[in-house]
Order: sequence, then structure tokens, then C-alpha cells
Amino acid sequence: DAKTTQPTSMDCAEGRAANLPCNHSTISGNEYVYWYRQIHSQGPQYIIHGLKNNETNEMASLIITEDRKSSTLILPHATLRDTAVYYCIVTSGTYKYIFGTGTRLKVLA
Amino acid sequence: SAVISQKPSRDICQRGTSLTIQCQVDSQVTMMFWYRQQPGQSLTLIATANQGSEATYESGFVIDKFPISRPNLTFSTLTVSNMSPEDSSIYLCSVLGAISGITYGYTFGSGTRLTVV
Repeated sequence: DAKTTQPTSMDCAEGRAANLPCNHSTISGNEYVYWYRQIHSQGPQYIIHGLKNNETNEMASLIITEDRKSSTLILPHATLRDTAVYYCIVTSGTYKYIFGTGTRLKVLA
Repeated sequence: SAVISQKPSRDICQRGTSLTIQCQVDSQVTMMFWYRQQPGQSLTLIATANQGSEATYESGFVIDKFPISRPNLTFSTLTVSNMSPEDSSIYLCSVLGAISGITYGYTFGSGTRLTVV
């Protein structure tokens, strides 16, 4: 079973920040949090990952709580092209990915 | 990051027939997986494709239905056997490798959209 729970769907206004939460209360000390997104009819695409520190790249920011039991993916200025299903995955890195249900983000014009 | 080519990209097949899906990677990779994504659903892991040995199947998936080959570190095939309409799904290949600079993780192919009629 997936180790993560996410809201089924969210809406976000174009140009605003999209904050996507993920709960992973059973995460182990050596497990990372990875985020992927799947745009319709394509394979999942890597966004960002982290262990315990907050991370930022050109696509997004990842905020991980101090107890590591939850995290938030932030898309700072959402565009219509960010409409996708976003998956939060907990993994030890080289272990197989088990996908949860993901969050369907709809960016509204 | 590794570039994955999956063939065919889509197909419509008659029930009772079999389809073999190919996954070609542009570099040698150690870990390779096959996933299924049923309509409107998340991805479900079918099996780990092991080079030189039998694939490791997840619960609910069997070799007779989904035989997998992996003759080398850059290529694998998944066969969907004796198909029924319930097999209509997107099938995706995934490999472990560098995905962004020094970041290590999984890259996914664009998938094979299978419709069984």
C-alpha cells in the first residue's frame, strides 16, 4: 500500500501559488519524499524531492515538516500548463515506487 | 536523464490476443519496472524486470498473464496475454537513473495506451 495520503483534487487560480499537501506519517528515517506530476496521457515527470530540509528548484519548492510526517509542494505561480495529477511518493531512493491516488490540480484562468 | 522509448504508443486489440510492448532505454540501467494505469486511476506496479532472471511480480500479477523479458540493461518487453476488455489501460515502463543533474530517481516512458475490444 502507498505510504502517502493526498487530497483528491484542488483548484488554483492562474498566477497564484498552488500548495499541495501530502501526509506520510509512517515515513522512515532513510526515506525521501519525491514529487511527480502526470499531465494527461503522458508518463509521470519528476518535480522535486527532499529528505528533511526544504528544497527549491526551477519548478517548485518542497516544504517538509520538522517531524517529517507531512510535506507541501508549492508551485509559486501556477499556470494553465500546471494542470495535472500530482503524486507524492515516499521511498528509500532506489526502492520501487508505490503510487497513491495523487491530487488532481486544476489551474483556473 | 535516461530517455525511454516505448512501442507501440497505442494499440487496439481483439480480445483473446496478445500484445508485446517494448521499452528501450538510451543508457544502461540497473532497475526497470512495468506499471499499469487503468482509466482514471493511479499507477499500479506490475513487476520488476530483472536482467538475466525471471521478473519479480507484485501481488495480483502473474507471469502467465504478463510475461516479461529483459535480455540486457537497456531493453525490456512486457506481454499482455489473452487480453480482455479489463486489460484496457496505459502500460508504462520506468527506469532508475539520473533524472536531474546529480539527482537520482525514476524516469517514466510515455506509455502504451491499450484498448481491448
